[in-house]
Amino acid sequence: SQQGEEDPQALSIQEGENATMNCSYKTSINNLQWYRQNSGRGLVHLILIRSNEREKHSGRLRVTLDTSKKSSSLLITASRAADTASYFCATGGYNQGGKLIFGQGTELSVKP
Amino acid sequence: EAGVAQSPRYKIIEKRQSVAFWCNPISGHATLYWYQQILGQGPKLLIQFQNNGVVDDSQLPKDRFSAERLKGVDSTLKIQPAKLEDSAVYLCASTPGRGSYEQYFGPGTRLTVT
Repeated sequence: SQQGEEDPQALSIQEGENATMNCSYKTSINNLQWYRQNSGRGLVHLILIRSNEREKHSGRLRVTLDTSKKSSSLLITASRAADTASYFCATGGYNQGGKLIFGQGTELSVKP
Repeated sequence: EAGVAQSPRYKIIEKRQSVAFWCNPISGHATLYWYQQILGQGPKLLIQFQNNGVVDDSQLPKDRFSAERLKGVDSTLKIQPAKLEDSAVYLCASTPGRGSYEQYFGPGTRLTVT
């Protein structure tokens, strides 16, 4: 079953603009992660935020988590054509042995 | 450090045939996952191993899918017999365990069932 709902399903922006993707989930979580998938390739881990954290940064990435609203957002600043990919949020629950439940993903297209 | 290896990368079979996929996780990673990713969707967990034991196979269609990780290292996933709806990318991932939650993914095997 899919836990996460991602919004928007597709996003098209120009190079240099910021991209924001949102993820909502249904059950309580231990952590929330974001992954990137380039066409036809495996997933690459981007960032993890724990349930007791509200914001986290990694390079051009900024993730926020609002556990009261069961939602998260991923912001990519100053986007580049190389950021074109699908982005997935994934939630990890307590006592789940590291199991992740993925959302449907947001397809980001960055035009040069 | 070598990443997660998977083979084959692509496979085309006819319905009712059988197929097997192989995964070699990152050295030392205790936990191994198999996911199914249908086009346009997120990955769905099929089975999770901790060393050579099954932790979660609740979403594995056991009438046709089987998986093993006999020596706690590499793993195989088999489908027998395949159906058209099994067309998907099959992803293998691993984690060190011990409280580390980040998963490392292989390139996947793209299966087409005709």
